[in-house]
Amino acid sequence: SQQGEEDPQALSIQEGENATMNCSYKTSINNLQWYRQNSGRGLVHLILIRSNEREKHSGRLRVTLDTSKKSSSLLITASRAADTASYFCATDTDSSYKLIFGSGTRLLVRP
Amino acid sequence: DTEVTQTPKHLVMGMTNKKSLKCEQHMGHRAMYWYKQKAKKPPELMFVYSYEKLSINESVPSRFSPECPNSSLLNLHLHALQPEDSALYLCASSQETGSGNEKLFFGSGTQLSVL
Repeated sequence: SQQGEEDPQALSIQEGENATMNCSYKTSINNLQWYRQNSGRGLVHLILIRSNEREKHSGRLRVTLDTSKKSSSLLITASRAADTASYFCATDTDSSYKLIFGSGTRLLVRP
Repeated sequence: DTEVTQTPKHLVMGMTNKKSLKCEQHMGHRAMYWYKQKAKKPPELMFVYSYEKLSINESVPSRFSPECPNSSLLNLHLHALQPEDSALYLCASSQETGSGNEKLFFGSGTQLSVL
């Protein structure tokens, strides 16, 4: 079953611009993670934010979490063509350690 | 070594064939996972092994049979598959399960086509 919905489904931006992706989920969580997937490849872990954290940074990535709205956002600043990929949020609920992925956002960064 | 290695990378099989997908990690992780991913969809959890024991089966049809021979290896045995089983099969591992903050390491996947 799918826990998260991501928005937008697809995003096309120019190199150098910022990209923002949003994730909404349904049940209480322990933490929320973001993964990147290049076409036809495995997923790569980007960042994990715990349910008691509100914001986290890693390089050009900034993640926010609003547990009252059951939503998270991933901001990629100063995007590069190499950032072209699909981005998925993933959550494990507080009653299960199964990691369930959201529907994903396909990001295209045009050179 | 932070890699999860999956073989083969591509597999084409008929509906009467028996084949196996293999996954290996040498990070000392005690949890291993199989996910199935259709094109333009998120990965869907199939199985979770924790300390070499099957801990989660997401109601997967019996034509998929997982096996964990040891803590580094995970297999997925395939038999009498249907064309709708064609997908990217992803293996992943994590240090533990159940701690609530497990980061998954994924292999590159096996692209399976069932004819």
